[in-house]
Amino acid sequence: SYELTQPPSVSVSPGQTASITCSGDKLGNKYTSWFQQKAGQSPVVVIYQDTNRPSGIPDRFSASNSGNTATLTISGTQAMDEADYHCQAWDSSTYVVFGGGTKLTVL
Amino acid sequence: QVQLQESGPGLVKPSQTLSLTCTVSGGSISIGGYYWSWIRQHPGKGLEWIGDIYFSGGTYYNPSLKSRVSLSVDTSKNQFSLKLSSVTAADTAVYYCARDRRPAANANWFDPWGQGTLVTVSS
Repeated sequence: SYELTQPPSVSVSPGQTASITCSGDKLGNKYTSWFQQKAGQSPVVVIYQDTNRPSGIPDRFSASNSGNTATLTISGTQAMDEADYHCQAWDSSTYVVFGGGTKLTVL
Repeated sequence: QVQLQESGPGLVKPSQTLSLTCTVSGGSISIGGYYWSWIRQHPGKGLEWIGDIYFSGGTYYNPSLKSRVSLSVDTSKNQFSLKLSSVTAADTAVYYCARDRRPAANANWFDPWGQGTLVTVSS
């Protein structure tokens, strides 16, 4: 079965750039989405189809996907960005796959 | 805008069947290009996709849960439902319903999500 791997946690100082990775076999050949989940809330999509931001998502959120790794980048990280981030991809045999999630701490 | 709301029992006994319904408001469940999904999250853990259903009844299931899962849709009520049989404590989780945007065969994302409902499996 297809698997996506994320680091359990990432820390960043306010105003700095946070990078969260998501790894999977030939992930660059698949479309990846990213979801932000704040404490006690439902997930919200912040990136879809590798690089697209839904309306209402700040432009400090961006992403890339190449090779075996997709990366979510948050530029000028703010305290409000502290949350769990989940990557997701579609695989032809497993269908929907989520990564294990990464807890972003803004110190 | 489209909103989703889960409903169903918060407590299910082991070996019984978990049943949840998701009510869609602000838009039709019968619109093309979208699947309707169930996703769960064990306490303190990541997200686990359970399955998708199209308004016409077509389904995709997580292979690891397929033998116990059944999804259905009621377009007249703008609702879709989940049944998970033979539950154990390992099925205790927050269950979310979500709209699955599916623009191509290999692309999808979930937006929006319901608020989630905690289901506890215990005697």
